[in-house]
Amino acid sequence: NAGVTQTPKFQVLKTGQSMTLQCAQDMNHNSMYWYRQDPGMGLRLIYYSASEGTTDKGEVPNGYNVSRLNKREFSLRLESAAPSQTSVYFCASTGGDSTGNTIYFGEGSWLTVV
Amino acid sequence: GDSVTQMEGPVTLSEEAFLTINCTYTATGYPSLFWYVQYPGEGLQLLLKATKADDKGSNKGFEATYRKETTSFHLEKGSVQVSDSAVYFCALSDGSSNTGKLIFGQGTTLQVKP
Repeated sequence: NAGVTQTPKFQVLKTGQSMTLQCAQDMNHNSMYWYRQDPGMGLRLIYYSASEGTTDKGEVPNGYNVSRLNKREFSLRLESAAPSQTSVYFCASTGGDSTGNTIYFGEGSWLTVV
Repeated sequence: GDSVTQMEGPVTLSEEAFLTINCTYTATGYPSLFWYVQYPGEGLQLLLKATKADDKGSNKGFEATYRKETTSFHLEKGSVQVSDSAVYFCALSDGSSNTGKLIFGQGTTLQVKP
């Protein structure tokens, strides 16, 4: 019973390098999200995808791009990493009319940009 | 815009003490309210939720009541255990859309000592 799976779990990048965080869910959920977690700031929404084929900006989208590859997968790309993007990244998903529905989170990806 | 404010931590308690973590919110529409818990090195797990005013969510001895008149959703537990040590996040759903987005408070760290 995998739920939401993210890879990689840990990554160190040099400033200017690019990378993609992968996320997949096996719960047939329509909506998927990418959040970042920073000390004292809770979780902030980067991008979300309300359904397959759509993506929208969240609160902190600058420096990121996303792709909703299919219903299961939602990837987050850093084109040119910056130290300010050092954070813990969480992918999440929820199904149907999601008002009040539970959002399920992956275990997180720890990214350090040096 | 919608927002969530939690009491600042860390909160340090002795085992079997009573716990209250305050959470207040501002929102348009009729959001659902959530408490999530994050254990060290793990992702977020739903602890409890309430979808309308005066609802009480409860789970694992924790409870919180959706108070529209005071715009609050305080988390309580009568007798905490060492295993309850974690970071607790209050969150609300974005009631103005059907995207299921969550808006999080900054998190409150709870440490329970034996």
